[in-house]
Order: sequence, then structure tokens, then C-alpha cells
Amino acid sequence: GAVVSQHPSRVICKSGTSVKIECRSLDFQATTMFWYRQFPKQSLMLMATSNEGSKATYEQGVEKDKFLINHASLTLSTLTVTSAHPEDSSFYICSARDFASGSYEQYFGPGTRLTVT
Amino acid sequence: GNSVTQMEGPVTLSEEAFLTINCTYTATGYPSLFWYVQYPGEGLQLLLKATKADDKGSNKGFEATYRKETTSFHLEKGSVQVSDSAVYFCALADEKLTFGTGTRLTIIP
Repeated sequence: GAVVSQHPSRVICKSGTSVKIECRSLDFQATTMFWYRQFPKQSLMLMATSNEGSKATYEQGVEKDKFLINHASLTLSTLTVTSAHPEDSSFYICSARDFASGSYEQYFGPGTRLTVT
Repeated sequence: GNSVTQMEGPVTLSEEAFLTINCTYTATGYPSLFWYVQYPGEGLQLLLKATKADDKGSNKGFEATYRKETTSFHLEKGSVQVSDSAVYFCALADEKLTFGTGTRLTIIP
């Protein structure tokens, strides 16, 4: 149980285009999902917290107009990188919290490797 | 605020060696503590967890005990295998997860 999927696993896009990444909780309902960014050989950096049916809460220094987050259902959150540039190339990981468990444990997706050329 | 201090890597050990990766934390209240493992090119997998003082989390031969008096959650394994090579993250959780910097572990046959 507690499986989180991400799609796509890898994406290459041209500078100036937008890319959407999906995060799904497959076997549980997730009122809260999180989006992280990870640079090579570094830890995870929390970008934003996404709550179902409400606006995402962004961490300091994260551009909300560039990284659009939508959490339209209890099993799906999306991250759209708008007008992508090479510096946005990174590994993006989502996680979800199981509402029913009452626990703070987060279940992670397999990540999406974004390369902007 | 919350913080996690984790043993700097990289760590290289021979197969069957004993492993310890140190982790200490600073937090208000009583957070849950986790160890996550990340294999190359993948997301994070939960390795083990502990939710209150003196709890011992264990999985796949790895163990860690929630020590409130020393604010520590050190990861140990008695005999490592090549397949344990990965990056290990210590984390504490309240509303959000606070991660350590990660420790890259390489096991040599």
C-alpha cells in the first residue's frame, strides 16, 4: 500500500516551453502533497505544500508564477514549470501524506528528471 | 526551527562491515523520526521510522533508536551488503519533513 506515482519519469523540453508533471496517490487519499526539488548530490528542497481544493503554500524563494501547483482531487497534484529555462533542469520529487493514517509520514514518488535545452 | 544534522559522507565500507550513520536533531515538541534511502535515479523509500522516545525502528537489517535524551536517531546495520549502496537521509516530521544533508554509502565487495 501507500504507492505514489509520477509522470513522466523523464522529460526534455526546449527553453521557453512549459512542462507539466503529475503526482498521483494510487491506493490512498492524500489531502496534502508536497513538491521537492533535488540538485545533484544534494538533499531535497521543499518547494511547496499542496492541499486539495486550496492554493498551494510556497516556500520562501520559490516563484509561484513559475512553478504552478494544482491539487484538484484527493489523488492528484500537478506541477507545471512555466517558461522553462536551463536552470530549471533538476530532479523533481513529489510526496503525499495519507489522510486516513493521521501520521506525518510522507510517501514519495519515483521522481521526474527535467532537462531544459 | 527544526533541523537535522547528519554525518557527512561519503562513506565507503567493505562488505560485511558494521555501519553507523549518525543523525542528531533539534526540534520543538516530539516529532516522528525517519530514515529514507535513495537509490540512483530514484525517489526516496522509507527505510524505517520511530514515532516516540525509545522506539526502535528496524527494516532489512537496519535499526535506529529514538533517543530523546541525546536527540539522536543513529542508523546501524551489523553486516552491510553491496546492495546497500545508496544515499541515506535522516528526517524529522511534524507538518513538514526536515531532511539531513544525506550520506552517500558505497559498499565494496
